[in-house]
Amino acid sequence: GAVVSQHPSRVICKSGTSVKIECRSLDFQATTMFWYRQFPKQSLMLMATSNEGSKATYEQGVEKDKFLINHASLTLSTLTVTSAHPEDSSFYICSAVQGGTDTQYFGPGTRLTVL
Amino acid sequence: KNEVEQSPQNLTAQEGEFITINCSYSVGISALHWLQQHPGGGIVSLFMLSSGKKKHGRLIATINIQEKHSSLHITASHPRDSAVYICAVWSNTGNQFYFGTGTSLTVIP
Repeated sequence: GAVVSQHPSRVICKSGTSVKIECRSLDFQATTMFWYRQFPKQSLMLMATSNEGSKATYEQGVEKDKFLINHASLTLSTLTVTSAHPEDSSFYICSAVQGGTDTQYFGPGTRLTVL
Repeated sequence: KNEVEQSPQNLTAQEGEFITINCSYSVGISALHWLQQHPGGGIVSLFMLSSGKKKHGRLIATINIQEKHSSLHITASHPRDSAVYICAVWSNTGNQFYFGTGTSLTVIP
């Protein structure tokens, strides 16, 4: 079946640094990718929708200058958390929609800890 | 009010029991997903439904579009089924995904 990978799976960084998280669709082309955030013991929160070749659409309350999303190819989207702060510590999950379908495949997630 | 409501929020069952998790939604949808999240965070998509019923091993998912309701059933539950189960719907307007708050299932040996 279709597989979505995320890298890294875990990252610890110092406050003020930037962290890039990659989301790849390994065996299909993803016209749309989504980025989610999950706080402990809470459900997923959609952060932004990323369409290949165009600017991401951010949900209300999500700072686009802080969470930079790039979807440069049909198999790769990146989320960069800029000037990370401890409150950015969270579990970040991406998903990818296979082109021509509604089927959405989830990545395994990236746990970010900002010290 | 959440667009997607799940019940129960927490569920503890004995191994072997039949388990049902319910999901109700208030928006028009093109698809409904059942997701499983194990401790540690990785999410697995169990089912995507737009009508009827799907079965995969001991898991069964049903959806009633008219009633805006879906159920996830686990037959002969096992401790490895312990996880959080999340219902999510893809709305048919506005290209938006709505999530339920999840049902935390613990299956005791």
